[in-house]
This record gives sequence, C-alpha cells and structure tokens, in this order.
Amino acid sequence: EAQVTQNPRYLITVTGKKLTVTCSQNMNHEYMSWYRQDPGLGLRQIYYSMNVEVTDKGDVPEGYKVSRKEKRNFPLILESPSPNQTSLYFCASSFGNPVEQYFGPGTRLTVT
Amino acid sequence: KQEVTQIPAALSVPEGENLVLNCSFTDSAIYNLQWFRQDPGKGLTSLLLIQSSQREQTSGRLNASLDKSSGRSTLYIAASQPGDSATYLCAVLPISKAGKSTFGDGTTLTVKP
Repeated sequence: EAQVTQNPRYLITVTGKKLTVTCSQNMNHEYMSWYRQDPGLGLRQIYYSMNVEVTDKGDVPEGYKVSRKEKRNFPLILESPSPNQTSLYFCASSFGNPVEQYFGPGTRLTVT
Repeated sequence: KQEVTQIPAALSVPEGENLVLNCSFTDSAIYNLQWFRQDPGKGLTSLLLIQSSQREQTSGRLNASLDKSSGRSTLYIAASQPGDSATYLCAVLPISKAGKSTFGDGTTLTVKP
C-alpha cells in the first residue's frame, strides 16, 4: 500500500531533550516536506526537500533540522525542544516539482 | 510573500444543499493549487489538484475551479452529505520557489442531516 508513515504518532517530552520524528514514504517520491499545524495559525511549512541531499527552509524553520540521506526517509530533528514547539506535525511527499502532495497521519508532540 | 485566504471560516448547511468554498491567493504566479480534506485529529486527504494551465478539475460530486488572473479558486460540492463534514484546505505552490507551499486556514463544513 502506497503511504507516508510517521513515528511516533504521539510524543510527550521535556524541554531540551533532543528528539527525532521519522517520516518514510514507499512511493519513490522525490519531494518531501514537513509542516506543523497550530490552532489559529493553520498549516505552516518547516522544511522541504526536492531530492536526496537537497533541502530548503520553509516559513518556520527555527529550532528544527532535517536531513535527506536517502530518498524514502526525511527525519525531523528537534535538537533542544521548547514548549512553543508543541504542535501537530505532518510529513508529506510528492512526485516531481512537487505535483500532488500526500500526507502522513501526523505526530502530536507535547513539550513540557 | 504569498498569502492564502479561505472564506468563510465555517459553514453549516442542511443535507442535500449545493455549496461553494472559496480560496484566494495574493500571488498569481502559481505552479498548482491543491484542495484537501481534514477530519478532526486526522491527516490531510488530497481531493483535487489543479495545474496552473488548467481551469478546473472534477471528482465525483466535487468540482474545483482556478482563476489565476483574479487569484481565486472555488471548491463546489454538490448534493452535500453529513459525511462531507470536515475542514477543507487549499494550498498553492509558487512558480518562483519550487517546493515552497502555502496553505489557507481552512473552511470547517458541517452538513446537518
């Protein structure tokens, strides 16, 4: 089944403890992207990757890191999480430029 | 900077009614526009994708149109059903910055039986 998977789906952590949210797609998509969704602020793009080893900042990249060492995986790294990074995070992927984006199920992160 | 606005923020209609959701964007130099559906606490499901060279796309009871000159897209839902209740989001990708995506805040639709 073609899909975008994220792990973990739910995470509660404390301020300053490094964490990684994984994203994997099995559709051989070139494009992958991370978003966060907050009430009243909508869906905002954090980072995106047009292909392996090619990443770029979205609208809200501060406090996040990404890497794209292989085509199927695009992990999101929070080196020192803070409470303002409490949010619902989505990973998406697409063929090409991108064209049609497919979203993962989301990761709900709480930082206390 | 691209801004995407969706009006109304919320809409409640009786079952069977036809309805239109609106999406406006400030920069008409877009690569494509995509409509999504999001159920509470869930991920986004792609509904329709309109390339910049297209005027509309149809899927079942859904029809999306695109007018780049006016910076508008509409999502038409025919014969609405309670199962259509969800939040509908639009997203645009600019020509100038491939890969950078901007979403509207969404319209929350409630279809009453």
